[in-house]
Parts: sequence; structure tokens; C-alpha cells
Amino acid sequence: AQSVAQPEDQVNVAEGNPLTVKCTYSVSGNPYLFWYVQYPNRGLQFLLKYITGDNLVKGSYGFEAEFNKSQTSFHLKKPSALVSDSALYFCAVSEASGGSYIPTFGRGTSLIVHP
Amino acid sequence: NAGVMQNPRHLVRRRGQEARLRCSPMKGHSHVYWYRQLPEEGLKFMVYLQKENIIDESGMPKERFSAEFPKEGPSILRIQQVVRGDSAAYFCASSPQNAKTFEQYFGPGTRLTVT
Repeated sequence: AQSVAQPEDQVNVAEGNPLTVKCTYSVSGNPYLFWYVQYPNRGLQFLLKYITGDNLVKGSYGFEAEFNKSQTSFHLKKPSALVSDSALYFCAVSEASGGSYIPTFGRGTSLIVHP
Repeated sequence: NAGVMQNPRHLVRRRGQEARLRCSPMKGHSHVYWYRQLPEEGLKFMVYLQKENIIDESGMPKERFSAEFPKEGPSILRIQQVVRGDSAAYFCASSPQNAKTFEQYFGPGTRLTVT
């Protein structure tokens, strides 16, 4: 069975500082991993995904994520946070071989960037 | 290229009434997913459909809920005899292929309130 955990309900960071939103996963084989962002009263927007290849994945709005197989993690990062990055962030995982066609989403992490 | 469209954006129903939520996927997308989002609970998968077929309805309650994606027209999520616990935001997403490896494009959601 596939599962994903976002251990922090909320992350606070000052504008201009680097940010990290954590995600760990559990699958039987190899994972496919996704990050989405949700602004208030909006649907989720795709940020980036890891399917295969380089462990460091670059996505929209200056975000990147690093796939770490040994630690089963896929943390979202940005070198310099903006107030406009404040939103709800979701990590999702699906299993490469077998399993469901539907990724499993984490519970979400609220990112608050202070001016 | 219009994004995923959902209507209505807000829906108020009294207990016992029926709720019909509509979703038009992005042009060229034949895979549609419905999710329910409740505060503190994250995003819960309900059903995955392709044109005229239900592929996976493992997340949908067995009673009162149904979904369809006809050959012509939008996908419909139908909730019969609504109860207060059905109050939530319902999101539709679409993708060009199955969501195991392809990112999903989400609509703005329908916020259902049951009074």
C-alpha cells in the first residue's frame, strides 16, 4: 500500500529566508512523487514531480524538491521565500509497479511567510 | 485553453435534498477524478472515471453517492438525500493520461453546505 506523510501541519518562515516543506512516503517498489499548492478558495495547482532521472527536480515559481530514496523523502524547497508563497502544500505518491492509478495525497502543510 | 470548470461554485442544500456537482475537464483530457476536502482531513479521493466508464470508485461511499462521465457533456457527482456531514469542498481534476505519472489539473471546487 502507498502512503505519504507530511509531518508538519504548519511551517513559518520569514520572507527572504530559505524554506523547506517535508514529505516522506512509503511504497512497495519505486515511487512517483508530486507536489501541489493550494491557494485559498482555489483548486490545487501542480508544482513539480519526480518520475525518474535526476534526484533534484525543479518546478514552478522557483520551487525544487529532492528525491532521497534511502530516507524515503521528497522535501520541497525554495532558496528565498516570498509572502505570496503562503499557501497549503500537498505531497502525493503513487507506486511505479502495480498499485493504484490514483496518487495518495498527504494531509497538507500550511506555509506562512512573514514579511 | 480553458482549465477545469466546475459548477456551481457554491451550493446550499437542505438535509434530504439532492446535490448535483458538474465538472468539465480540460480540452483533450479523458481522465476525471473527484475528491472531497474537509478542514483538518486533507484531500480524499472519491472516484476515477474515463468516458462512460468508472475505473475506480473505491473512495466513494456505497450509498447516496454516484458519479458519471457520459460520452457527451460534463462529469456529474450526485449526492442523494444529503446530510450535514456531506458539507465539504468537492474538487474535480482531469489529466491526459492516468494520474499515476501524469499531473492532475484541478478545478476551483464546489463548496457544498447542507443546512
